[in-house]
Parts: sequence; structure tokens; C-alpha cells
Amino acid sequence: AQKITQTQPGMFVQEKEAVTLDCTYDTSDPSYGLFWYKQPSSGEMIFLIYQGSYDQQNATEGRYSLNFQKARKSANLVISASQLGDSAMYFCAMREPYGQNFVFGPGTRLSVLP
Amino acid sequence: NAGVTQTPKFQVLKTGQSMTLQCAQDMNHEYMSWYRQDPGMGLRLIHYSVGAGITDQGEVPNGYNVSRSTTEDFPLRLLSAAPSQTSVYFCASSYSRFSPNSDNEQFFGPGTRLTVL
Repeated sequence: AQKITQTQPGMFVQEKEAVTLDCTYDTSDPSYGLFWYKQPSSGEMIFLIYQGSYDQQNATEGRYSLNFQKARKSANLVISASQLGDSAMYFCAMREPYGQNFVFGPGTRLSVLP
Repeated sequence: NAGVTQTPKFQVLKTGQSMTLQCAQDMNHEYMSWYRQDPGMGLRLIHYSVGAGITDQGEVPNGYNVSRSTTEDFPLRLLSAAPSQTSVYFCASSYSRFSPNSDNEQFFGPGTRLTVL
């Protein structure tokens, strides 16, 4: 069963606008962590933001914020004031305590239009 | 700190050849892993290790071997390359002990682009 779902294969956003990238996850463990990574065309994986399952507040890192809705099992990434350099693949990932492994979604390709 | 290093960056093999992808980290991380990335499929776990001397299979282990003799190094061996193993390979590391109250993200190497003819 797929544990991480990203339903948007591709997204477009106008420069300076905000965009939301969707991520839903599936776990029965109450303790888990959710991650977002960015992969630009150069290929490297860049860690953006983290949300722990017990965090009461949504995580924020600069222009990135994570809209965490635990009951709905969703962890959407919000990028405010998009920049051309935000054009990249974005991966949502989850880590569960048992097994220690990370599970990645298929990714969303974001294109920022000038 | 160099972080996670991988060599080579690019490799072309013929079907049936064997090779080793090298991975090293200098952050004293217990957990290391290998992924392959194929278009539309995200990153799929090949093998992982939670410490020196301990390895286990991930989602797609067939055709690959690993060993972990030191904390720093985690090489991936392709035993007999096949065109289906054409992919981008990433090595990653993190702390093993997971706590939801701390980041403990994975740090990735730059990747190896492998083509099998």
C-alpha cells in the first residue's frame, strides 16, 4: 500500500504568488515525522522542512510552511511569494520509528512562470 | 564536513558487467541507505543499514548487494548489470534513533547516474 501520495504530477504558479503542494500519508503509528525535499534540475536533494507528529503548530522555514492536518493525514507544503528558483521537483517523505526507513512520494514538478 | 559523498557521478556499463558505487559520510550517522530514482516513481529504497555490520533489504533489493564494515562507508554492488538498473542512485544518511521531536532528516549525496547498455 502506498504510504505517501502526491496527487499533483505537475503544478504551475506565477512568480510572486503562493502555491500549495499536496501530500497525504498513511500510517497507524502515532509517532512519525514528515519531510519535504526539493530537487532542482541539477539533481541534488535539498531538505526544506520537517513536521513531527506531536507538533501542535505548523512548521515554518522562511518562505516554506507545512499545513499539517493530522486527522486528515495531510502535510501540504505552502511556498509563499514564489521565485523562479523554486522551479523543481518536490518530494514529500515520512519516517516511522519502527524500521527507521523513509518513504517517499512520487513527487510534484513545480514550474514558476515569470 | 564533506557530508555524504558518492563516486562516480556518471557510469556507463554493458549488460552483465559488475561495479561498485561508493558512498561515504563524515557525520557519524548510524543510518545509511541507497535509493534509486526513476521518472514518476520517486525514490525507492534498495538497501539500508542501521549501523556497522547490519544491513537489510528495502523495497527493490534484487540485483544489488551491500555491506557496512565501517560507520562511514556503505558501498552498493551491482552483481550483473541489466538495462533495468539504468537509474539515478542516491546514497543518504541520518541518525538512527528517530524522535518526532527533532528533525533527523536524511542527508543525500549528489547521486550517480548509471546507464546500462
